[in-house]
Amino acid sequence: NAGVTQTPKFRVLKTGQSMTLLCAQDMNHEYMYWYRQDPGMGLRLIHYSVGEGTTAKGEVPDGYNVSRLKKQNFLLGLESAAPSQTSVYFCASSHARSENTEAFFGQGTRLTVV
Amino acid sequence: AQKITQTQPGMFVQEKEAVTLDCTYDTSDPSYGLFWYKQPSSGEMIFLIYQGSYDQQNATEGRYSLNFQKARKSANLVISASQLGDSAMYFCAMRGADNTDKLIFGTGTRLQVFP
Repeated sequence: NAGVTQTPKFRVLKTGQSMTLLCAQDMNHEYMYWYRQDPGMGLRLIHYSVGEGTTAKGEVPDGYNVSRLKKQNFLLGLESAAPSQTSVYFCASSHARSENTEAFFGQGTRLTVV
Repeated sequence: AQKITQTQPGMFVQEKEAVTLDCTYDTSDPSYGLFWYKQPSSGEMIFLIYQGSYDQQNATEGRYSLNFQKARKSANLVISASQLGDSAMYFCAMRGADNTDKLIFGTGTRLQVFP
């Protein structure tokens, strides 16, 4: 029972490089979220998706793009990485349209941009 | 717009004592849910407790209880009989029932339990 799996777990990028973070869930959840966690700032929502083929901006979407081509996968892309994007990234998923369903989190991806 | 505020960057508590972690929120949604998560030093996010905006009673889960005061827009987490293993970051979160269904978090409180 894998739950939410993030790939990779660690990555170092050079400024200007691109990369894609993959989030996969096996719980048939409709909603998926991408967050970044920085010291003193908690978890900030980057983008989220309420269903296959749909995405929406969160609190800090600039510099990131996302895609949800399959229900079980939510991809986060960095087209041109910047040092300000050094962070720990978390993916989460939950069932739809019910405020009382908890979100399940992946283990996080630690990204360093040099 | 929804907002979660945790005003305590850090808290200390002695083992076996109770501690309250503060959380206030702001939303225009008539229906919403409030959550607390624990993040130990290993980094994973662990769901602790949920409170619905229409729930009549405060939520409880073992040693965790949620002191929900709707009029004051507060949802404080109470941990009774603290244990050393409770040392962690604690995050308050909220999700509304509108079509956006965003799940947003506060900045967290670092709890340290000492013997």
